[in-house]
Amino acid sequence: DVKVTQSSRYLVKRTGEKVFLECVQDMDHENMFWYRQDPGLGLRLIYFSYDVKMKEKGDIPEGYSVSREKKERFSLILESASTNQTSMYLCASSRTSGNNEQFFGPGTRLTVL
Amino acid sequence: KQEVTQIPAALSVPEGENLVLNCSFTDSAIYNLQWFRQDPGKGLTSLLLIQSSQREQTSGRLNASLDKSSGRSTLYIAASQPGDSATYLCAVRGRGYQLIWGAGTKLIIKP
Repeated sequence: DVKVTQSSRYLVKRTGEKVFLECVQDMDHENMFWYRQDPGLGLRLIYFSYDVKMKEKGDIPEGYSVSREKKERFSLILESASTNQTSMYLCASSRTSGNNEQFFGPGTRLTVL
Repeated sequence: KQEVTQIPAALSVPEGENLVLNCSFTDSAIYNLQWFRQDPGKGLTSLLLIQSSQREQTSGRLNASLDKSSGRSTLYIAASQPGDSATYLCAVRGRGYQLIWGAGTKLIIKP
């Protein structure tokens, strides 16, 4: 089974802190994605990566950065957390070839106080 | 610009009924369409993926159909059970690897 894991299920941080969210997949997928999910707004893509050290902005990259130093790991970084970044963060991965089915991790519920 | 709509936003039915969830999209140039399930406070579970060349896919009590020309997909759930209660999302993949998401249908199966 494909497995996507995220470093924390719940996280509480203070305004201005630097926050790291980690995602690891064990299926050698080329593509990895970070989304945030908010009530009434659905899933929105923050960043995605189609290869090591490669990244592309999604729909809402402002206030975020990403890092992909190894194929299996994709990190989302909040440089200076703000209260409007309180959200559910979801990581996903998929292959480049084949049917490109996306598989998701369990999510990280981040609260910024 | 591709837009994906799911109607209704919420649905409540008695246990045992067969039901259909709808997903529509505005641009028929898609590579595939994927249906997901999300339980409250959890991540998404992939249910079915239909390639653009396919008409339907089946997994257990679930059957998903795709009509590209009319921009529609349906997810059919047979003999619904309380454990099927969740939010169901559909998403389409266009030219890139990104998915365009519907807002979801919240399904409640009453025992």
